[in-house]
Amino acid sequence: QKEVEQNSGPLSVPEGAIASLNCTYSDRGSQSFFWYRQYSGKSPELIMSIYSNGDKEDGRFTAQLNKASQYVSLLIRDSQPSDSATYLCAAFGGSNYKLTFGKGTLLTVNP
Amino acid sequence: DAGVIQSPRHEVTEMGQEVTLRCKPISGHDYLFWYRQTMMRGLELLIYFNNNVPIDDSGMPEDRFSAKMPNASFSTLKIQPSEPRDSAVYFCASSLRQGASNEQFFGPGTRLTVL
Repeated sequence: QKEVEQNSGPLSVPEGAIASLNCTYSDRGSQSFFWYRQYSGKSPELIMSIYSNGDKEDGRFTAQLNKASQYVSLLIRDSQPSDSATYLCAAFGGSNYKLTFGKGTLLTVNP
Repeated sequence: DAGVIQSPRHEVTEMGQEVTLRCKPISGHDYLFWYRQTMMRGLELLIYFNNNVPIDDSGMPEDRFSAKMPNASFSTLKIQPSEPRDSAVYFCASSLRQGASNEQFFGPGTRLTVL
C-alpha cells in the first residue's frame, strides 16, 4: 500500500518568514511528486511538481526531492497571509499507476 | 476553458436515498478521476477513466457505489443506497494524460451530507 505522510500541523509562521512543509513516501518506485494547495472549502490546485532529485524553484516556492531518503519538501519564502491553506503532497507511480495524496498540512501565516 | 464542472455543489439527503453526482471534465482531457475527501481519510481516489473506459475502480468502497462515463464530456458517480458514513466532499478531476508528468485539474467538489 503506497502511503504519503505529512505532519497535519497546524504550522504557524509570521508574515515574511520561510514556511517549510515536509512529506515522506513509502513506495520507492514513485516517479513524480506534486504539491497542491487547498483553501478552506475549495478544491486542490497544483502549485509545484518535481521529478528529479534536487531543488526546483518557481517564484516564492521551492520544491525539494531526495529519492534516497524518500523525502519531499516545499519551501515558501516571504510567506503571505494569502498562503494560509492546507498543502497536500502527492506521489505518482511505483506500485500503482495512480496519484496518492497525503492528508495535508495546514499552514497559517500570521500578519 | 470553464474548468471541471461538478453538480450539484451541495447535496443533503436522507439515509437510503439514491444520490447522483455529475461531472463535466475539461474538453480534450482523456482522463477523469473521482475522489472523496474526509477529515479522517484525506483525499482518496475512488475510480478513474481513460477515454470513457473505467481503468481502476479499486478505490470504490463497496457495491453501493457505481460510476459511469457515457461520453467524453460527462460522468456520474452514484451511491445507492446512501449511508451517513458516505458524507464527504466528492471531487472530480481531469487530466490530459496519465503518467509521471500528469497534472490533474479539480472541480469545485460536491459536499454530500447523508442524514
